[in-house]
Amino acid sequence: AQTVTQSQPEMSVQEAETVTLSCTYDTSENNYYLFWYKQPPSRQMILVIRQEAYKQQNATENRFSVNFQKAAKSFSLKISDSQLGDTAMYFCAFMKTSYDKVIFGPGTSLSVIP
Amino acid sequence: GAVVSQHPSRVICKSGTSVKIECRSLDFQATTMFWYRQFPKQSLMLMATSNEGSKATYEQGVEKDKFLINHASLTLSTLTVTSAHPEDSSFYICSASAFLAGSYNEQFFGPGTRLTVL
Repeated sequence: AQTVTQSQPEMSVQEAETVTLSCTYDTSENNYYLFWYKQPPSRQMILVIRQEAYKQQNATENRFSVNFQKAAKSFSLKISDSQLGDTAMYFCAFMKTSYDKVIFGPGTSLSVIP
Repeated sequence: GAVVSQHPSRVICKSGTSVKIECRSLDFQATTMFWYRQFPKQSLMLMATSNEGSKATYEQGVEKDKFLINHASLTLSTLTVTSAHPEDSSFYICSASAFLAGSYNEQFFGPGTRLTVL
């Protein structure tokens, strides 16, 4: 069974600084999908970034980028130029195939401090 | 595009009653819908997967007779919590999966329903 681990329950960062959230996962699959979701206080789940395992290039979306290390089964999220609106829970997630369920990690609560 | 709605957003009911939560994909047809449960300060736990016209697949430990899922159309899935008890109080989130663009079925999440059972 696939599992997703986030070892940082809470993190904080100064506004405009950079922060990295960690995620590791366990799977025997070779092809799969990885995601970072943001859940702000409104509790609406928002897709931040996704990575397809067969792609070696790390995904980037504006201020958000990932460091995907397939052999190490590591998938960290870097947020650059942190903004107050980045304050939220961040969930790392795994999906085995395109039609499969999404498995979420326990989450990291990120606070951006003015 | 790709909007998922849930109704109601909040519901309070008495212990022993049943509550129905609707999940609709507003501008696309969803091949699959998923129901999650989230307790305060915890992650999303998948309860069940439903495909239009077929029985839902429940995750281990989820009582299928208590959490009834009906997926009547490609745009509507309902979750009915039967004989609700205070321990069923939680935040319920649905997602709808569709191949809209790109290389995979993306999941789009509803805004969630907060259920409080008194």
